[in-house]
Amino acid sequence: GAGVSQSPSNKVTEKGKDVELRCDPISGHTALYWYRQSLGQGLEFLIYFQGNSAPDKSGLPSDRFSAERTGGSVSTLTIQRTQQEDSAVYLCASSRRGRTIYFGEGSWLTVV
Amino acid sequence: AQKITQTQPGMFVQEKEAVTLDCTYDTSDQSYGLFWYKQPSSGEMIFLIYQGSYDEQNATEGRYSLNFQKARKSANLVISASQLGDSAMYFCAMRESTGANSKLTFGKGITLSVRP
Repeated sequence: GAGVSQSPSNKVTEKGKDVELRCDPISGHTALYWYRQSLGQGLEFLIYFQGNSAPDKSGLPSDRFSAERTGGSVSTLTIQRTQQEDSAVYLCASSRRGRTIYFGEGSWLTVV
Repeated sequence: AQKITQTQPGMFVQEKEAVTLDCTYDTSDQSYGLFWYKQPSSGEMIFLIYQGSYDEQNATEGRYSLNFQKARKSANLVISASQLGDSAMYFCAMRESTGANSKLTFGKGITLSVRP
């Protein structure tokens, strides 16, 4: 498809397990963002990739969270030793020139 | 201080009428961008409109327009001829261009309900 693609769309995991969330940005988009949205809340910035520059990791809430972007395209957000407070929707977005930033449909994570 | 402020409580509008959703922002940058997104109950974030700080005219996209008042640091979204499908959460966001920091900072959102 032409939009930002995220997988899985839904994930239920046990506390303490690791999870990986994938984002496939729009082709040609050099910027990629990860955000987190807890139920009924606004969007919390996690990490931002721009081309080959060092990513802005200032929003990652703890060292259990990490992200990488391979080949300037697909990105994976990894949460290690998941906790119940990690339950949220994880949204990925991409952009080419910054005037329009498009979001995927999100990965709904539930930690039980 | 909050970067993006959306203080309106839940908003209600009659179908076919216009509605304004308020957004104020705080930045010391000269170059920045302002965005509005719609989030229906399905959860997806739908891009609506963008306004650059150096854009001379207010942005318009179909039924959406942005009332940009730079001196007052406000970027209100105007939706004309409201439709039932406009019922959703609306988020204002800002992208500053300071060094490598180009993340979007979001407000807390405003809930809009359109009445038939």
